[in-house]
Amino acid sequence: EAQVTQNPRYLITVTGKKLTVTCSQNMNHEYMSWYRQDPGLGLRQIYYSMNVEVTDKGDVPEGYKVSRKEKRNFPLILESPSPNQTSLYFCASSPYRDRAYEQYFGPGTRLTVT
Amino acid sequence: AQTVTQSQPEMSVQEAETVTLSCTYDTSENNYYLFWYKQPPSRQMILVIRQEAYKQQNATENRFSVNFQKAAKSFSLKISDSQLGDTAMYFCAFMKHRSGGSNYKLTFGKGTLLTVNP
Repeated sequence: EAQVTQNPRYLITVTGKKLTVTCSQNMNHEYMSWYRQDPGLGLRQIYYSMNVEVTDKGDVPEGYKVSRKEKRNFPLILESPSPNQTSLYFCASSPYRDRAYEQYFGPGTRLTVT
Repeated sequence: AQTVTQSQPEMSVQEAETVTLSCTYDTSENNYYLFWYKQPPSRQMILVIRQEAYKQQNATENRFSVNFQKAAKSFSLKISDSQLGDTAMYFCAFMKHRSGGSNYKLTFGKGTLLTVNP
């Protein structure tokens, strides 16, 4: 089954404790991205990647890091989480170029930073 | 930069009736895509319908249809014969066409919470 998986689905952590949210897709997609969803703000892009070793900032990258060492994986790293990063996080992937509009979303990760 | 505006934070409709959700957007692009996504309580993002800006014909998917007015930059979603399972947050979203760059970013509105009442 074609899918995007995220782990963990729920996470409660404390300020300053480094964490990683994993994202993996099995569709051989070149393009992957991360969004955060906050009440009243919709979804906003954090980072994106066009292919292995090619990443760039989205609209709200402060406090986040990403890496793309393998095509299928695109982890989101919070090196020193703060309460304002409490949010719902989505990973998405899509084929490149002609079918870029086919965006597949993961199930979401609910992060709470206390 | 593109912006997407959903002016209705919440709406409600009776089961079996029709409801229309509004969306306007601002862009200087000529080629782009518009989407409606549904987010039920499970939080999964589900694509409802997609419209290519170069197509004049409005997209339809079963009970869901859009009214795309390119000149007015308006993209409303009509849900016919509303069902209880349609209760969800609905997001309007914009994406530049592939010729517009390498970041296939979706720009989302703030969402409209739709409640279908029995």
